[in-house]
Amino acid sequence: NAGVTQTPKFRVLKTGQSMTLLCAQDMNHEYMYWYRQDPGMGLRLIHYSVGEGTTAKGEVPDGYNVSRLKKQNFLLGLESAAPSQTSVYFCASSYSTDRLRNTIYFGEGSWLTVV
Amino acid sequence: ILNVEQSPQSLHVQEGDSTNFTCSFPSSNFYALHWYRWETAKSPEALFVMTLNGDEKKKGRISATLNTKEGYSYLYIKGSQPEDSATYLCASGTYKYIFGTGTRLKVLA
Repeated sequence: NAGVTQTPKFRVLKTGQSMTLLCAQDMNHEYMYWYRQDPGMGLRLIHYSVGEGTTAKGEVPDGYNVSRLKKQNFLLGLESAAPSQTSVYFCASSYSTDRLRNTIYFGEGSWLTVV
Repeated sequence: ILNVEQSPQSLHVQEGDSTNFTCSFPSSNFYALHWYRWETAKSPEALFVMTLNGDEKKKGRISATLNTKEGYSYLYIKGSQPEDSATYLCASGTYKYIFGTGTRLKVLA
């Protein structure tokens, strides 16, 4: 069972470089999310998507862009990386608005360092 | 933006002790409350999804209660074991969940 898969797992970027994190889920989930996790801050929502072709801003969207061209994929882009974007990034997905079935499934995280 | 708070931030307990921690969330427009268990270097895993006031859920030695009117949920661990060491997260919201910062539990053998 693949579940939610993120690539790459680790990356070091120089300030100003761009990169894309790829998230793929094989559970036919409608909703997908990108979170970042920083010490003492918990998981903070960057962007999310409620279906193919839709995206919306979360709590901390600045400096990031996303796309959901296919239902199973959710891409997170950093156009011009900054040291403040050094973090662990988690992709997640969930099934529906049915309250009892809306468990969030997480990927294993992507460690990004911007120097 | 919801404000979800967890306490304590961290705690150490001895093997065999029972423990509990708290998740506080805004009680207005309540939709659902989730608990997750997060081990170091792994991804968070769902423990419970709770939706009804007075709900109680149990999974082995771990249980949770929910009070939507006053905006809190308790997570209990009975007879803690070293393998229970992890960060326990709660999250509230609709499909756009807001997470607390977690309670980091260390069970000492």
